Amino acid sequence: NAGVTQTPKFRVLKTGQSMTLLCAQDMNHEYMYWYRQDPGMGLRLIHYSVGEGTTAKGEVPDGYNVSRLKKQNFLLGLESAAPSQTSVYFCASSRYQETQYFGPGTRLLVL
Amino acid sequence: AQKITQTQPGMFVQEKEAVTLDCTYDTSDPSYGLFWYKQPSSGEMIFLIYQGSYDQQNATEGRYSLNFQKARKSANLVISASQLGDSAMYFCAMRGSLGGTSYGKLTFGQGTILTVHP
Repeated sequence: NAGVTQTPKFRVLKTGQSMTLLCAQDMNHEYMYWYRQDPGMGLRLIHYSVGEGTTAKGEVPDGYNVSRLKKQNFLLGLESAAPSQTSVYFCASSRYQETQYFGPGTRLLVL
Repeated sequence: AQKITQTQPGMFVQEKEAVTLDCTYDTSDPSYGLFWYKQPSSGEMIFLIYQGSYDQQNATEGRYSLNFQKARKSANLVISASQLGDSAMYFCAMRGSLGGTSYGKLTFGQGTILTVHP
């Protein structure tokens, strides 16, 4: 039982490049979330999903897209990376609206 | 809109002593949930404790307890008998009404760095 896993752990991108962050959970949770964490700030919600095939915008969605084609996976895409997207990205999952459990995070550096 | 405020950027405590980390919140939701997470230097987010707004008793989980004062809109985390391994960043977070349109989304405070001295 791995819980929530994130791939990759660390990535360096050049401005304008694209990438996809993968989140996977094995707890059969309905809800999944993507947050970003910047220095001196708490986590801020980017996008979330309340079930397979559904996605919705969070607090800071601009520049990101998401997909939830399978219940256990939630993908976060950056189509054209910008230095302002340098951050630590966390995925979380929960059984409906209950306690969220987080993955280990992905450190992204955009040059 | 929901707001979480953690006014202590950093706290220090002696090993084996108790420490209180402050959290105040603001919401218009009739019911809500309050959470504390720990983030050690390794970076992961670890769930510690949960308090529902209608829970009659303060939540406890081992050495962690949540001092919930609804009228003051505060949800302070108390760590008893501090250990060196408690040194970490601590985040307070809030969720809106269950079953409502908040969909379990969490609003986080800015965090408090706790340092435990031997």
